[in-house]
Amino acid sequence: AQSVTQPDIHITVSEGASLELRCNYSYGATPYLFWYVQSPGQGLQLLLKYFSGDTLVQGIKGFEAEFKRSQSSFNLRKPSVHWSDAAEYFCAVGVYGNEKLTFGTGTRLTIIP
Amino acid sequence: GAVVSQHPSRVICKSGTSVKIECRSLDFQATTMFWYRQFPKQSLMLMATSNEGSKATYEQGVEKDKFLINHASLTLSTLTVTSAHPEDSSFYICSAKVASGGAEDTQYFGPGTRLTVL
Repeated sequence: AQSVTQPDIHITVSEGASLELRCNYSYGATPYLFWYVQSPGQGLQLLLKYFSGDTLVQGIKGFEAEFKRSQSSFNLRKPSVHWSDAAEYFCAVGVYGNEKLTFGTGTRLTIIP
Repeated sequence: GAVVSQHPSRVICKSGTSVKIECRSLDFQATTMFWYRQFPKQSLMLMATSNEGSKATYEQGVEKDKFLINHASLTLSTLTVTSAHPEDSSFYICSAKVASGGAEDTQYFGPGTRLTVL
């Protein structure tokens, strides 16, 4: 079965600084990978997804993620964060032939002025 | 497009009562809907997968008689928590898919329902 790990429970960055959130997956073949963002008390919004092709994926709100098969990673990046980026970020993995998603435990992002 | 709503957004009930949560796809037809449960500061745990017109498929450890799921139409799925107890207090989130393919189809999430059982 597939699994996903988000090693960082909580990250604090200054507004305007760059951001990288880590995500590692475990699966024998190429998985489908997703990043979702959840604002307090809200549902999840899809930031970006990777299925195949170019390993650098562009998403909404200026986010991007890079699939690295050799490292089993799909880290999320943003060059300059804004206060509105403060939220919970979830990495998720899906596999071919199964419509379910498996979510990581999330990383809470705090932005300081 | 691809908006999913949930109602109510917040509900408080007494122990032993039943609570119904609605999940609607507002601008698309959802062949599949999912119900998740999220504990504070934790991830989303899939409870069940619901396909229109058929019985829901529950994940291991989820009591199907306690969490009744009905997917009566392509735009509506309901989750009823029967005989609710304080340990059922949680944040319940639904999601919906446009197509009936695999995990590559994007799931669109509702805003969630906060259930508090006294």
